[in-house]
Amino acid sequence: RKEVEQDPGPFNVPEGATVAFNCTYSNSASQSFFWYRQDCRKEPKLLMSVYSSGNEDGRFTAQLNRASQYISLLIRDSKLSDSATYLCVVPGSNYQLIWGAGTKLIIKP
Amino acid sequence: DVKVTQSSRYLVKRTGEKVFLECVQDMDHENMFWYRQDPGLGLRLIYFSYDVKMKEKGDIPEGYSVSREKKERFSLILESASTNQTSMYLCASRGPADTQYFGPGTRLTVL
Repeated sequence: RKEVEQDPGPFNVPEGATVAFNCTYSNSASQSFFWYRQDCRKEPKLLMSVYSSGNEDGRFTAQLNRASQYISLLIRDSKLSDSATYLCVVPGSNYQLIWGAGTKLIIKP
Repeated sequence: DVKVTQSSRYLVKRTGEKVFLECVQDMDHENMFWYRQDPGLGLRLIYFSYDVKMKEKGDIPEGYSVSREKKERFSLILESASTNQTSMYLCASRGPADTQYFGPGTRLTVL
């Protein structure tokens, strides 16, 4: 089993819809998690940090389910500008981060 | 705002050439990282550095070396470039609470 797994997608979603995708992780000792956003041919940028049960920032909600070892990202009222690849990240040892391969999201008008 | 810069956005080299990729950060971060990113594989860690002159191998160090002579600068060296090193190379520095800040990336093509 990979340390961090994501559905690669693409998720094709109409503008205004709600979309959610999950990320599973294998290290049950992980305490913090991150979602990064990466636009095509650009660098990843931090979207949200998740330290306890979840986090909400505007239209974006991240939830953590420790028992089942997954993190979810929910996007409400999706915009065309939300089209990107969303990377799930879990801290590893020695300040390293373990990266999922990403979920591609395409918002259609 | 944290700024991480990389020396080139696009680079084309020939097989066997020695290649230098430079990365500079302006936030006095101690930890810096080099990744490569390939379609479907996500980010893979090549090397990282705790501090000046300190380096650790990541998951895929073969064919690469690094140099950290100054805190703000972390260089990735391809000793003898090969076609399988064609990739996007991303440098990052570590800020508070494990967050990483990335440079814009260098898209390297080895012919």
